[in-house]
Amino acid sequence: QKEVEQDPGPLSVPEGAIVSLNCTYSNSAFQYFMWYRQYSRKGPELLMYTYSSGNKEDGRFTAQVDKSSKYISLFIRDSQPSDSATYLCAMSGGSNYKLTFGKGTLLTVNP
Amino acid sequence: NAGVTQTPKFQVLKTGQSMTLQCAQDMNHNSMYWYRQDPGMGLRLIYYSASEGTTDKGEVPNGYNVSRLNKREFSLRLESAAPSQTSVYFCASTGQGNSPLHFGNGTRLTVT
Repeated sequence: QKEVEQDPGPLSVPEGAIVSLNCTYSNSAFQYFMWYRQYSRKGPELLMYTYSSGNKEDGRFTAQVDKSSKYISLFIRDSQPSDSATYLCAMSGGSNYKLTFGKGTLLTVNP
Repeated sequence: NAGVTQTPKFQVLKTGQSMTLQCAQDMNHNSMYWYRQDPGMGLRLIYYSASEGTTDKGEVPNGYNVSRLNKREFSLRLESAAPSQTSVYFCASTGQGNSPLHFGNGTRLTVT
């Protein structure tokens, strides 16, 4: 079993839709959870950063962490064409300080 | 505010040639990382430097060497390039353990 699993998509939605992106993981030591957005031919940029379980909201974006199920989600409300990108989950924990990434989900929001 | 700067942006090499990818950050971060990103494989860690003066292997270090030149700069060297090293290379940095990484915009390398 891979440490982090992420559905690669592609995912195509109409403008205004609610988007749900998900990752599962197997390492119970993970405590820090991140979502990155990567536009074509650019580097990943941090979107959301959470510690342990719970929800965090930032504008149209909500990150959820369920450590008991080893499951994290990113919700995008009122999706816009500018949200079209690849979304990467990432997580870390313990003493080695190295991030483990999912392979990314390609999202297209159609006008 | 430049953040993480990578040079060059693009490079084409012939098999067996060598080159050095440069990375510099202006955020006074302690830790720096080199990743490669390939279709279907995601981001894979090549080498990292937890602090100035230290370097460690990541998941895919074979065929690469690194140098942490000072706190700002971390270079990646390919001594004898192979077609399997065709990839997009990203440098990243962070201030402290378990903090998010800040990425550069990548170097797109093709080895023919």
